Amino acid sequence: GAVVSQHPSRVICKSGTSVKIECRSLDFQATTMFWYRQFPKKSLMLMATSNEGSKATYEQGVEKDKFLINHASLTLSTLTVTSAHPEDSSFYICSAAGQLNQPQHFGDGTRLSIL
Amino acid sequence: DAKTTQPPSMDCAEGRAANLPCNHSTISGNEYVYWYRQIHSQGPQYIIHGLKNNETNEMASLIITEDRKSSTLILPHATLRDTAVYYCIVRLETSGSRLTFGEGTQLTVNP
Repeated sequence: GAVVSQHPSRVICKSGTSVKIECRSLDFQATTMFWYRQFPKKSLMLMATSNEGSKATYEQGVEKDKFLINHASLTLSTLTVTSAHPEDSSFYICSAAGQLNQPQHFGDGTRLSIL
Repeated sequence: DAKTTQPPSMDCAEGRAANLPCNHSTISGNEYVYWYRQIHSQGPQYIIHGLKNNETNEMASLIITEDRKSSTLILPHATLRDTAVYYCIVRLETSGSRLTFGEGTQLTVNP
């Protein structure tokens, strides 16, 4: 089945550091990728939608300068959390969508801990 | 996207069928019903989706009522590894359409 790889799986870093998370579709071309955030015992919240070669569309309340998204190719999207602070600690998950009528597939998430 | 309503939790005995209900009374004609599950600390896993007809794959069966206002996901022989949060989501069938996650149902399969 379709595979989405997300890297790294876990990051622990100091406050003020910028962290980049990669999301790759391994066996299909993803025209659209999505980035979600999940707090403990809560559901997934969509942060932004990115289409290859164009600017990402951010959900209301998500700071685009804080969460930089790049979707430079049909198999790779990156999320950079800039100048991360402890409140940015969360579980970040990406998903990728390919052709019409195909379901979205998710990466295994990145657990970000800011000290 | 139409909103869905699911029970917050359910229990099932190992080896028995798990029937997870979902209400989506405001679903529109061109919205599909999708089911995903999330095992603790992992990304969601696609299970099955359908529009009108019942669907079956190697993981589960999806039964959609004739009026499309509700559906049931059936895991025919639940195992301990099926313990997860199950999300029922309705979405438009376009490549760029989002998935809006509700709170889902925490299914616990007991030995």
